[in-house]
Amino acid sequence: SQTIHQWPATLVQPVGSPLSLECTVEGTSNPNLYWYRQAAGRGLQLLFYSVGIGQISSEVPQNLSASRPQDRQFILSSKKLLLSDSGFYLCAWHHPGGGQPQHFGDGTRLSIL
Amino acid sequence: DAKTTQPPSMDCAEGRAANLPCNHSTISGNEYVYWYRQIHSQGPQYIIHGLKNNETNEMASLIITEDRKSSTLILPHATLRDTAVYYCIVRVPRWTGANNLFFGTGTRLTVIP
Repeated sequence: SQTIHQWPATLVQPVGSPLSLECTVEGTSNPNLYWYRQAAGRGLQLLFYSVGIGQISSEVPQNLSASRPQDRQFILSSKKLLLSDSGFYLCAWHHPGGGQPQHFGDGTRLSIL
Repeated sequence: DAKTTQPPSMDCAEGRAANLPCNHSTISGNEYVYWYRQIHSQGPQYIIHGLKNNETNEMASLIITEDRKSSTLILPHATLRDTAVYYCIVRVPRWTGANNLFFGTGTRLTVIP
């Protein structure tokens, strides 16, 4: 069966510090991968998605970036965090087409001080 | 993607069936209905999805009306661990590009002992 792992679960970072969140998927190949951010009491905001290694599409301009160095690895990064980067970050995967659902990781709660 | 309407909250007695409605009167012929739930501080959990026919899996049943303008998620024997926010999402699956999900406000289900 397929599983998705995100780490760390929680993170507290000072303003201006760098960020690296990692997501890995097991038990499948060639998944589409997604990074979302969920603000408190609000819906999901799509940040990045990837359909293959090295292929990244950005949905919202910001000081975050994403990379996909391996088929089942998706990384969210920032060189200098802003207070507004606080939130709940979710990684998800699915197989495209045919109505296949997305499956989410447990998320990373990021607090910027 | 079609808009969905869900009641903001519902209660259900433990051990009874929980029936969560969703209205999607503007749904188009190729849009799927997806149900997810989110327990506080966790990532969204996929429950079930369907296009036209009723569906059942180990977690729940999905009943879609013949005109597809509404659906009901049924948790046959609710437990305290089913207390969560339940989201009904309608969207067309895409073979290319992002298949991002838009979560509305959902229904907060509280299972009462």
